[in-house]
Amino acid sequence: AQSVTQLGSHVSVSEGALVLLRCNYSSSVPPYLFWYVQYPNQGLQLLLKYTTGATLVKGINGFEAEFKKSETSFHLTKPSAHMSDAAEYFCAVSAPSGNTGKLIFGQGTTLQVKP
Amino acid sequence: KAGVTQTPRYLIKTRGQQVTLSCSPISGHRSVSWYQQTPGQGLQFLFEYFSETQRNKGNFPGRFSGRQFSNSRSEMNVSTLELGDSALYLCASSLATGRGGNTEAFFGQGTRLTVV
Repeated sequence: AQSVTQLGSHVSVSEGALVLLRCNYSSSVPPYLFWYVQYPNQGLQLLLKYTTGATLVKGINGFEAEFKKSETSFHLTKPSAHMSDAAEYFCAVSAPSGNTGKLIFGQGTTLQVKP
Repeated sequence: KAGVTQTPRYLIKTRGQQVTLSCSPISGHRSVSWYQQTPGQGLQFLFEYFSETQRNKGNFPGRFSGRQFSNSRSEMNVSTLELGDSALYLCASSLATGRGGNTEAFFGQGTRLTVV
């Protein structure tokens, strides 16, 4: 079975500081990996995705993530945090076939950005 | 291009009642998935429909059911509501055909269900 673990339910950074949100996955087959962001009372918006190929993936709003198979990790980073980045972030892995609508989500990490 | 539309946005129901939520996917998307989001359990997969057939099912009781119409619109139904069913219900659509290739899920804004 696939699973996702996000380390740290709350992360607090100062504006302009590095953002690092951690995600580790478990999968018996090569996974598809995703990061989503959720603002209050909203749905989820895709930040970036890894399927195959280049392991460093760039997404929207200056975010990027690196797929490290040896560490089974897919950590999300952003060099400089903005106040508008405050939200909840979810890491997700797709079902083994990699091509269905089923996603397995981590528990989420709430990012707080302090002025 | 219109996004995923969920109706209604907010709903208050009484224990024991039933409720139907609606989801209109992005045009051309035939896969529709439903998720339940609660503070305690996080985001949990309910089920997925593709071309009017249930393709995947999560670990929820039979009180939770769904269906998909020929135009890909989907509904989910919860019967005999319990207080614990209070949650944000999210619908997502994708091009996931099941025949290979990567896809991404596009989410609606959700329906906030409160059971009192």
